[in-house]
Amino acid sequence: GEDVEQSLFLSVREGDSSVINCTYTDSSSTYLYWYKQEPGAGLQLLTYIFSNMDMKQDQRLTVLLNKKDKHLSLRIADTQTGDSAIYFCAESKGDYKLSFGAGTTVTVRA
Amino acid sequence: DAGVIQSPRHEVTEMGQEVTLRCKPISGHNSLFWYRQTMMRGLELLIYFNNNVPIDDSGMPEDRFSAKMPNASFSTLKIQPSEPRDSAVYFCASLPAKAGELFFGEGSRLTVL
Repeated sequence: GEDVEQSLFLSVREGDSSVINCTYTDSSSTYLYWYKQEPGAGLQLLTYIFSNMDMKQDQRLTVLLNKKDKHLSLRIADTQTGDSAIYFCAESKGDYKLSFGAGTTVTVRA
Repeated sequence: DAGVIQSPRHEVTEMGQEVTLRCKPISGHNSLFWYRQTMMRGLELLIYFNNNVPIDDSGMPEDRFSAKMPNASFSTLKIQPSEPRDSAVYFCASLPAKAGELFFGEGSRLTVL
């Protein structure tokens, strides 16, 4: 959606770190999410962060939130071929309505 | 749990035909969503049900689209008559009462010729 913007493509070498960036416009967003979509499948929640947090780490995933700049990033350490997918950033105000970005297609090359 | 179940997974039909997509949400989830995914527009929320009642249908493109949820375990999205521009992947998703993770089905890929 127009409220959430992401770059469309990212190519990364296997074993390197991937960083996917997202900007959003609504300063009242309460929750920010990263979803992963593999080919032919639905979206799966990877991780989320509350707006009062700066960082969240979960195994190979690190989410950074810069609330002042309305910038969210997802870092995947030691990127593997299984990480090739489309990654969606999404935001909500804690109600039912999520605004999704257009998705970043991550391609992992050997 | 089987997750959100959608059918059919793929449908190819001709312009003007009626299309019905089906969804079974996760048992115990009280919110259900229909999304449409296209290359041009990305993911769009079409309609949201809470406790089987349509709460927000502002995303439904036009009168050709209708959605129902006759009970807590079943919903349909109907397009009549279908047009080529309706070609997309349609996702159903459900959410538990204590809002948290939105669970998506695997989608129904619709092609209208």
